[in-house]
Amino acid sequence: EAGVTQFPSHSVIEKGQTVTLRCDPISGHDNLYWYRRVMGKEIKFLLHFVKESKQDESGMPNNRFLAERTGGTYSTLKVQPAELEDSGVYFCASSQVRHSDTQYFGPGTRLTVL
Amino acid sequence: DQQVKQNSPSLSVQEGRISILNCDYTNSMFDYFLWYKKYPAEGPTFLISISSIKDKNEDGRFTVFLNKSAKHLSLHIVPSQPGDSAVYFCASRSNDYKLSFGAGTTVTVRA
Repeated sequence: EAGVTQFPSHSVIEKGQTVTLRCDPISGHDNLYWYRRVMGKEIKFLLHFVKESKQDESGMPNNRFLAERTGGTYSTLKVQPAELEDSGVYFCASSQVRHSDTQYFGPGTRLTVL
Repeated sequence: DQQVKQNSPSLSVQEGRISILNCDYTNSMFDYFLWYKKYPAEGPTFLISISSIKDKNEDGRFTVFLNKSAKHLSLHIVPSQPGDSAVYFCASRSNDYKLSFGAGTTVTVRA
């Protein structure tokens, strides 16, 4: 069974540009999460989808970040316009239905904003 | 406001010895605790977990201890092996799905 995949693995952009990150969860997982790790600090929650619906987006930093999950399958996270402080590693995770189900993480996308 | 803290950024241990990683949390609503392991250029991988109704959970070489009154948990790895060299994240969860992570502890197992 394929794990969580993320694309691209690394993105370097200039301040003010737009970047779109993609996550493909494990097939059949209703829950999809985005997290971010900045500068070797803690991994912080951004938002949670249940199928195509946003369940919790309390961790989204500001309105420059837009997440979507088309048809309850893959998800995209767009940053527009990117700022220097957006640099970090963006992780996607997915889990099955239950609250107690394990979250499986993708390899992450390293975003560098210059 | 960081609710989960790992105060030791790094730990070096000799192969065969015990590794002890510590984690403190502040949110008394947390009822489930997890440890994830992360290798460079990979995502975190689930290692072991414990519910708040227990004080110990063991899985092979890995044991997690929970002290609710102190809001403290620890991960014991014994014996430590070279393949255990990685970053270990403590994470906690309350009645929602999102995980709150610590900053991680980098473990280096010396041969």
